[in-house]
Amino acid sequence: GNSVTQMEGPVTLSEEAFLTINCTYTATGYPSLFWYVQYPGEGLQLLLKATKADDKGSNKGFEATYRKETTSFHLEKGSVQVSDSAVYFCALSDSQGGSEKLVFGKGTKLTVNP
Amino acid sequence: DARVTQTPRHKVTEMGQEVTMRCQPILGHNTVFWYRQTMMQGLELLAYFRNRAPLDDSGMPKDRFSAEMPDATLATLKIQPSEPRDSAVYFCASGLLVGSGNQPQHFGDGTRLSIL
Repeated sequence: GNSVTQMEGPVTLSEEAFLTINCTYTATGYPSLFWYVQYPGEGLQLLLKATKADDKGSNKGFEATYRKETTSFHLEKGSVQVSDSAVYFCALSDSQGGSEKLVFGKGTKLTVNP
Repeated sequence: DARVTQTPRHKVTEMGQEVTMRCQPILGHNTVFWYRQTMMQGLELLAYFRNRAPLDDSGMPKDRFSAEMPDATLATLKIQPSEPRDSAVYFCASGLLVGSGNQPQHFGDGTRLSIL
């Protein structure tokens, strides 16, 4: 079945450092890909998405490119801030039968220190 | 901004008790999902509904869990009887599926359940 594998954390960075969180997927067909962010005590929020190969999703300085040849959707940010500390989830939509179910990775906890 | 509302935010109860969690999806959304989040398993899909009809509940322990949508503004997840292994954060999410569009899901803030 469809699955998502993302790098295990936790990841600890200093403010203004470069961030990469790796995400690879296994899927049949052509799924849409998502990054969600979860701040402490809150639900998940959509950060960005890409719906087809070579699409780049971007939001709040984060970006990720849908790479079909490497089945990857790595999350990057050029300069992280303390406020970016959260757990990040990579996900794909399982569109078989039009179900639109999301399959999530395990999550990567990011801590940014001042 | 429209939000998914979940109640209660926190619930502590003893094993064997019935637990009911409620979710108010965003008005106009036609799809509702229930997820469970634990440290060990991460995020697991328990069940989901479209236009109030259950589409998939294969992720849910059938003997003790039940999910319903009495109307378009309310989804419920019940556990009876509850067990300590049910302790987790339960999230509700809603979304709008139109044709084959990939609409993002909007999550509530979750119910943190502790079964003693």
